[in-house]
Amino acid sequence: SSELTQDPAVSVALGQTVRITCQGDSLRTYYANWYQQKPGQAPVLVIYEKNNRPSGIPDRFSGSSSGNTASLTITGARAEDEADYYCNSRDSRANHLVFGGGTKLTVL
Amino acid sequence: QVQLVESGGGVVQPGRSLRLSCAASGFTFSNHAMHWVRQAPGKGLEWVGVVSYDGSNKYYADSVKGRFTFSRDNSKNTLYLQMNSLRGDDTAVYYCARARYGYDVLSGGDYWGQGTLVTVSS
Repeated sequence: SSELTQDPAVSVALGQTVRITCQGDSLRTYYANWYQQKPGQAPVLVIYEKNNRPSGIPDRFSGSSSGNTASLTITGARAEDEADYYCNSRDSRANHLVFGGGTKLTVL
Repeated sequence: QVQLVESGGGVVQPGRSLRLSCAASGFTFSNHAMHWVRQAPGKGLEWVGVVSYDGSNKYYADSVKGRFTFSRDNSKNTLYLQMNSLRGDDTAVYYCARARYGYDVLSGGDYWGQGTLVTVSS
């Protein structure tokens, strides 16, 4: 089955820019979605179809993709951005979705 | 506003069954495919499967295929997850999520419920 690989942990200084990546063969064909999850809360969609933000998501969140890698960039990280981030895409098989293992973002 | 509320979680013995519900409001439920996603304690998200807007198509993760069954009652705006032959590794918070593009079963979830905890333990 297809897999999406994320770095387990990333840190960023307050106000700086951070990129969180997601790698997988399926990303050569399908777009990634990105979710933010804070402790004890449900995931929240922050980027869909590579670089679209749902209503209410700040424009400091952006997405991009190249080859087998999708990226979530936070420009000017804020303390409230500290959370787990998951990528998600269609599996290389026809009718499955798959999640990355998640990246824990620490804002220093 | 879109609201999804899961219920039915609890403690169940291995090998037994449990049915979860997801009550939807704030959108036209019958126009949207719906996902189930779970998260074991301290672990990442795992896609469990999806049911199409009309219930005619269902796709399951390999880990639950043959044991879990999705259904929906569009007249009640409710999604169901029937879980049979439960195992310890089914212990997780179970979320329902609305597919962003209702008729595309593999569009990602845009709105999620708060989840319900299922604990499989003797």
